Amino acid sequence: AQRVTQPEKLLSVFKGAPVELKCNYSYSGSPELFWYVQYSRQRLQLLLRHISRESIKGFTADLNKGETSFHLKKPFAQEEDSAMYYCALRLSGTYKYIFGTGTRLKVLA
Amino acid sequence: EAGVAQSPRYKIIEKRQSVAFWCNPISGHATLYWYQQILGQGPKLLIQFQNNGVVDDSQLPKDRFSAERLKGVDSTLKIQPAKLEDSAVYLCASSLGRVGQETQYFGPGTRLLVL
Repeated sequence: AQRVTQPEKLLSVFKGAPVELKCNYSYSGSPELFWYVQYSRQRLQLLLRHISRESIKGFTADLNKGETSFHLKKPFAQEEDSAMYYCALRLSGTYKYIFGTGTRLKVLA
Repeated sequence: EAGVAQSPRYKIIEKRQSVAFWCNPISGHATLYWYQQILGQGPKLLIQFQNNGVVDDSQLPKDRFSAERLKGVDSTLKIQPAKLEDSAVYLCASSLGRVGQETQYFGPGTRLLVL
């Protein structure tokens, strides 16, 4: 069965420290992975997708098919990065998404 | 560009009552999604429409939940009768539904509390 696992419910880091939010997936097809973010009192929104290979707000994520992972990384955390982050898997050939349970990132001053 | 609109924003009902949620997607978006997000969990897809046709409703509890998307624009999600475990945030999202343009845009959600 398809599954997205985010092992950390809460991750606290100090401002300026590196951040890594973990995401592992289970899927027999060709995966397309996304990171969504929800800032306080805002809507859930797309942060980045693996096929774009882009850096958004300093965040990057690399799809590792061997380890079935799609970890989100940022070298220097900022206070405004504090938010809820969800990893999502899109099933190939569909517009169906499977979301992880989310990780709350707190960046401490 | 106006975003996805949802109403009501909050609803409190007693178990066995019925409730309906409304969603207005971004203009021109062919694909519309309803998600259920229980506290502490990620969004779970309930139903997906492509224009006014259902693409996937495999996780919709059809004995109590129903949804429609008349004319391929607005959509309503209904629960009848509600159970305590239906307490959740109900999210509506839309996308263009074309290859390479699959980005989902989410509404603010409707927070439902069933007492």
